[in-house]
Amino acid sequence: DSGVTQTPKHLITATGQRVTLRCSPRSGDLSVYWYQQSLDQGLQFLIQYYNGEERAKGNILERFSAQQFPDLHSELNLSSLELGDSALYFCASSVDQNYGYTFGSGTRLTVV
Amino acid sequence: QQQVKQSPQSLIVQKGGISIINCAYENTAFDYFPWYQQFPGKGPALLIAIRPDVSEKKEGRFTISFNKSAKQFSLHIMDSQPGDSATYFCAASRSNTGKLIFGQGTTLQVKP
Repeated sequence: DSGVTQTPKHLITATGQRVTLRCSPRSGDLSVYWYQQSLDQGLQFLIQYYNGEERAKGNILERFSAQQFPDLHSELNLSSLELGDSALYFCASSVDQNYGYTFGSGTRLTVV
Repeated sequence: QQQVKQSPQSLIVQKGGISIINCAYENTAFDYFPWYQQFPGKGPALLIAIRPDVSEKKEGRFTISFNKSAKQFSLHIMDSQPGDSATYFCAASRSNTGKLIFGQGTTLQVKP
C-alpha cells in the first residue's frame, strides 16, 4: 500500500456521462497530481494542486476539471465522456514539488 | 523540448544478466531525473532518482548513469531477476514545478 488511496478502482460508464474520481494523498503530503495513462500516450500529466490551489496544468481537456479540498483530498471530474477517454487515471502525492512522488493504484475508466 | 525519449520499448534479459534502459531529454532546465517501476495493475513506484550534480547513483542492484553534456541518462539493473519483470519509466522535471515528463516506458522481461 503506497499510502495514496484512489476510488473507485474500476469504472464503466457510457459515452456522454460524467464521472468523479477521488484521491486521498499520503498523510502529510500537500501536493496532488493527476495523470492519465493510455497505451498510445503513456503517462500524461493532467493537473497539479498544492494545498488547495491549482499549481500547474498539463494537457487536460476542457471537459475535465479537478479540485483539492481543505482536507487535501482531490477529485477529478470527467464530463461528456468519449470512448477515447478510456484509460487508467492515476493520482500521486508529494510533500512538496522538489521530490519524487508516490502514486496510487489508479482508477481504470472504461467508456462504452 | 518537453519530451523525454526512452528506449528500447521492450527488453528480454536472462536471469543474472544486466538490463540497460536509456533516456534522452532536450530541455536543459530539467534538474531531477527519477525512474519508476510499474507492475501490472499497480501504480508506478519510485525506484531511484538522480540530480545533474552527480554522474552516477547506485542503490542496490539499480544504478543511474547521467551524462549532462549528452542530455542522456540510463538505468542499469545488475543481476536481473524474474521479479524485476515490469515496465520501467524514466522521467524528468524542473525544480519547483513538480510536473514530471515521462518517457514512453520499457517493458522488461527477465527469463529464468
